[in-house]
Amino acid sequence: DTGVSQNPRHKITKRGQNVTFRCDPISEHNRLYWYRQTLGQGPEFLTYFQNEAQLEKSRLLSDRFSAERPKGSFSTLEIQRTEQGDSAMYLCASSPEVGNVFYGYTFGSGTRLTVV
Amino acid sequence: AQTVTQSQPEMSVQEAETVTLSCTYDTSESDYYLFWYKQPPSRQMILVIRQEAYKQQNATENRFSVNFQKAAKSFSLKISDSQLGDAAMYFCAYRNKLIFGTGTRLQVFP
Repeated sequence: DTGVSQNPRHKITKRGQNVTFRCDPISEHNRLYWYRQTLGQGPEFLTYFQNEAQLEKSRLLSDRFSAERPKGSFSTLEIQRTEQGDSAMYLCASSPEVGNVFYGYTFGSGTRLTVV
Repeated sequence: AQTVTQSQPEMSVQEAETVTLSCTYDTSESDYYLFWYKQPPSRQMILVIRQEAYKQQNATENRFSVNFQKAAKSFSLKISDSQLGDAAMYFCAYRNKLIFGTGTRLQVFP
């Protein structure tokens, strides 16, 4: 297992189209997070899963965004009816969490979305 | 609401010198974690160092150390013996609410 894998690395789409990104976390990590990062900014939290349960969603995650993590393994993030403001780097991270001890996230390389 | 503030958009340091990056945060929680992450250009985010709020001892990882002042809600990162490979964006992050600062771009000059 070489880390958190995200696909695709880059996606260019026309406004109004739907896009889906995939994240494969480190296999023994039970938590998975999605972030969005725009140029010059820090990552902004979108949502996270513990196993297959989606435990928290940011207000940034509008109705056009949906995330799933079937069977608690890989996760997908879908954006429907994309808008130019959705252009950003979408980062996935995973972490082991045992009890209340938190060891930090391992990030993937991200998917850069450009909406034209 | 929790916030993380990095007041230095850019810093520079000469190779082999020491640099300190600042971070302040605001929270009403007593137990939490703080992190510094490094993001090289076009590369993925890497965890540099982690601090647990209930520990008074400052975390250290090789050339990287923190000055954690819980009462002042300050969490600065010191990089000793700076190397060219340290050049990157550095993000301070607060968890339990998964909040990142806006980052500090560090340039290292030979």
